[in-house]
Amino acid sequence: DGGITQSPKYLFRKEGQNVTLSCEQNLNHDAMYWYRQDPGQGLRLIYYSQIVNDFQKGDIAEGYSVSREKKESFPLTVTSAQKNPTAFYLCASSPWTDYGYTFGSGTRLTVV
Amino acid sequence: DAKTTQPNSMESNEEEPVHLPCNHSTISGTDYIHWYRQLPSQGPEYVIHGLTSNVNNRMASLAIAEDRKSSTLILHRATLRDAAVYYCTPGNSGNTPLVFGKGTRLSVIA
Repeated sequence: DGGITQSPKYLFRKEGQNVTLSCEQNLNHDAMYWYRQDPGQGLRLIYYSQIVNDFQKGDIAEGYSVSREKKESFPLTVTSAQKNPTAFYLCASSPWTDYGYTFGSGTRLTVV
Repeated sequence: DAKTTQPNSMESNEEEPVHLPCNHSTISGTDYIHWYRQLPSQGPEYVIHGLTSNVNNRMASLAIAEDRKSSTLILHRATLRDAAVYYCTPGNSGNTPLVFGKGTRLSVIA
């Protein structure tokens, strides 16, 4: 079955360490997105990519980096520059001009 | 981006219809109205979307006001599995990703 996979589901890291969250899709979708969700809040856009080797900053890109070397993959790195990295991270994908987003099941990152 | 206003929370009895409202008074003429829902500890899932006409699918119905400044998601018979946060988000085909506010937390009582 086609879908979008985020791994790991839970991640613990020490403060000051970089960490990379994985997002893979086999839906042949052109666009991919990273959102961050804090408790009781909506989703905030971190980065998005509409085509391989191109990506744009979202509303809260500071302290994060991404790459899009393959259509299927859009990893997110949370760097030590991100002041409050503990959150629930959601990856999504969609076809180029259709807003039927498919979300992954999320990665819950805890930095101690 | 079009701003949306949704109630923070709503409650329904099981087996009864639920009407979830959304105001989007700044919606542009080309924006579709999308609804997603998020179950606890999961990613959001698509529910329904529409432009001007009312829409139905196996999950829900979407009623869109004639001036398009508001819409209502209708769950015809709420079940316990419908307890989730429901997001209304206007958007159009193009370069702008969808914006998700805080949504409405729906509780379903058995």
